[in-house]
Amino acid sequence: GDSVTQMEGPVTLSEEAFLTINCTYTATGYPSLFWYVQYPGEGLQLLLKATKADDKGSNKGFEATYRKETTSFHLEKGSVQVSDSAVYFCALSGGANNLFFGTGTRLTVIP
Amino acid sequence: KAGVTQTPRYLIKTRGQQVTLSCSPISGHRSVSWYQQTPGQGLQFLFEYFSETQRNKGNFPGRFSGRQFSNSRSEMNVSTLELGDSALYLCASSIQAGELDTQYFGPGTRLTVL
Repeated sequence: GDSVTQMEGPVTLSEEAFLTINCTYTATGYPSLFWYVQYPGEGLQLLLKATKADDKGSNKGFEATYRKETTSFHLEKGSVQVSDSAVYFCALSGGANNLFFGTGTRLTVIP
Repeated sequence: KAGVTQTPRYLIKTRGQQVTLSCSPISGHRSVSWYQQTPGQGLQFLFEYFSETQRNKGNFPGRFSGRQFSNSRSEMNVSTLELGDSALYLCASSIQAGELDTQYFGPGTRLTVL
């Protein structure tokens, strides 16, 4: 069945460091891929998405490229800020608005 | 445009009771999905409604049920609560029930079962 495997956390970085959070997926067909972010005490916010192979999603300095050949959708940011501290979830669409989520990666950015 | 709203935000119940959670989607959105988030199991899909019809259901027992009204607002109900039902319940809406649609999440209802 469809599933998402996400890099285990937690991840602690210094401000302005480079961020990579790995995400790989297993799916039949060609799902859309998403990164969601959850700040403390809040629900999920869509960070970026990609709907087909080689698409690059980007938002707020974050980027991820849909790699069909490696079934990956790694999240990257060139210079993290303290305000980026949150839990990041990789997800794929299973059709009919059924999202499969990874386990989440907690990011802490220290000044 | 107002976002997805969920009520109540916090709820405390005891084992054996039942609970109803409410979700109001973004105006114009016709699809509502529900998810359960727990530390142990992560985010799991419960069910999805579109035009008052359940179109998809996750792997949860029949104690979990839902419905959608003609104005797209949705409720989910959990009967005979168990301790393991303690979780953050998230509702998400999208314009329609398509794989390419983006789901927008509400802040969640945190349910604690004692």
